[in-house]
Amino acid sequence: EPEVTQTPSHQVTQMGQEVILRCVPISNHLYFYWYRQILGQKVEFLVSFYNNEISEKSEIFDDQFSVERPDGSNFTLKIRSTKLEDSAMYFCASSSRMRGGGTEAFFGQGTRLTVV
Amino acid sequence: AQSVTQPDIHITVSEGASLELRCNYSYGATPYLFWYVQSPGQGLQLLLKYFSGDTLVQGIKGFEAEFKRSQSSFNLRKPSVHWSDAAEYFCAAFPKLTGGGNKLTFGTGTQLKVEL
Repeated sequence: EPEVTQTPSHQVTQMGQEVILRCVPISNHLYFYWYRQILGQKVEFLVSFYNNEISEKSEIFDDQFSVERPDGSNFTLKIRSTKLEDSAMYFCASSSRMRGGGTEAFFGQGTRLTVV
Repeated sequence: AQSVTQPDIHITVSEGASLELRCNYSYGATPYLFWYVQSPGQGLQLLLKYFSGDTLVQGIKGFEAEFKRSQSSFNLRKPSVHWSDAAEYFCAAFPKLTGGGNKLTFGTGTQLKVEL
């Protein structure tokens, strides 16, 4: 069964450092997403990406964050200067489409980011 | 604003008992509806989804959910809970209409504990 793969599973970084979280979506999917879940809290939307551009982003997704699909298979989330409050589980998701007949988003297992 | 509400933060049931987890949504038009399960330290696994048609949907692991338009609800049920069902359950919604956004919105989750 196809799946979304995220690496690394756990990353520890020092405050102020840059981190890149990587995701390999399901190969024929067109929509890509990043979500985060601070420990004990709800899953929050960060950004959606379609046709090589951001289609929607939340207020959480400020200038500190960026996404790209550098090679047609990977989908990355970069956090430029990490803060303690960025510590969370980050989930990547992909879907073939959501409108007009819709389908579900498939989630990766997550990357647990710990900022120290 | 679009929202998904799960009124129960924690629920405890005895193994073998029936289960109902509540979910209400607030959208301009009925969205696509989903239930995900998350075991500790794990990713999000789709249990079931509702797009249209039959209002009672069957999912994996013996779960089902009933869509009730009049109540804006999509409650998850299981006739007989197993100890392995202990996890956190998230209801989620995705807008059907163009202009309604392009993101999956999650409820705050319900933590299920199963007593043996």
